[in-house]
Amino acid sequence: DAGVIQSPRHEVTEMGQEVTLRCKPISGHDYLFWYRQTMMRGLELLIYFNNNVPIDDSGMPEDRFSAKMPNASFSTLKIQPSEPRDSAVYFCASSSPPERGLAYEQYFGPGTRLTVT
Amino acid sequence: GQNIDQPTEMTATEGAIVQINCTYQTSGFNGLFWYQQHAGEAPTFLSYNVLDGLEEKGRFSSFLSRSKGYSYLLLKELQMKDSASYLCAVRDRNTGFQKLVFGTGTRLLVSP
Repeated sequence: DAGVIQSPRHEVTEMGQEVTLRCKPISGHDYLFWYRQTMMRGLELLIYFNNNVPIDDSGMPEDRFSAKMPNASFSTLKIQPSEPRDSAVYFCASSSPPERGLAYEQYFGPGTRLTVT
Repeated sequence: GQNIDQPTEMTATEGAIVQINCTYQTSGFNGLFWYQQHAGEAPTFLSYNVLDGLEEKGRFSSFLSRSKGYSYLLLKELQMKDSASYLCAVRDRNTGFQKLVFGTGTRLLVSP
């Protein structure tokens, strides 16, 4: 399996522009997570989906952020309009109930490094 | 909510043993995870504890004490490639079985 795929890997944009980050989870995984990582706040969960349905979006910072999962193999995180404080690395992760045990290990994609100037 | 504390940085020598501590406060504890993250890369899963005691996996071991809200990750026979950040994450049954809250991580530097 190719693992979790994210695009783009790097994005530089100007304040006020719309940014769309993309994620393809591991095939067969029914949970998808969007995280944001900064030096100050560490790794924060923004939103997660189960079977394409948003379950918990309490970590989404504000209305400028939105996420969708139109099908089991694709999700987007959109920021409109972007601001310099949105600069961070955004990770997508996926997981599936294990056959044994309760670990529910999450597999992370390589991340998108976003810089808003 | 959850509070998770880890030391910010640690240094150790190649071949040595290092213990990275994590303390947490959560009302509905339901599992603790350790992830490794090399600079510029994604976090990768190392270990999972839900019951008290020690889980050993090769050179890495993880310990949990639920009554003390305490865990540690023990790395033996340190290698240069172990230089990375180590993230402690907690799951709380009150906030969803899939949701993890991460600490800010401990950056480990292994020197020759």
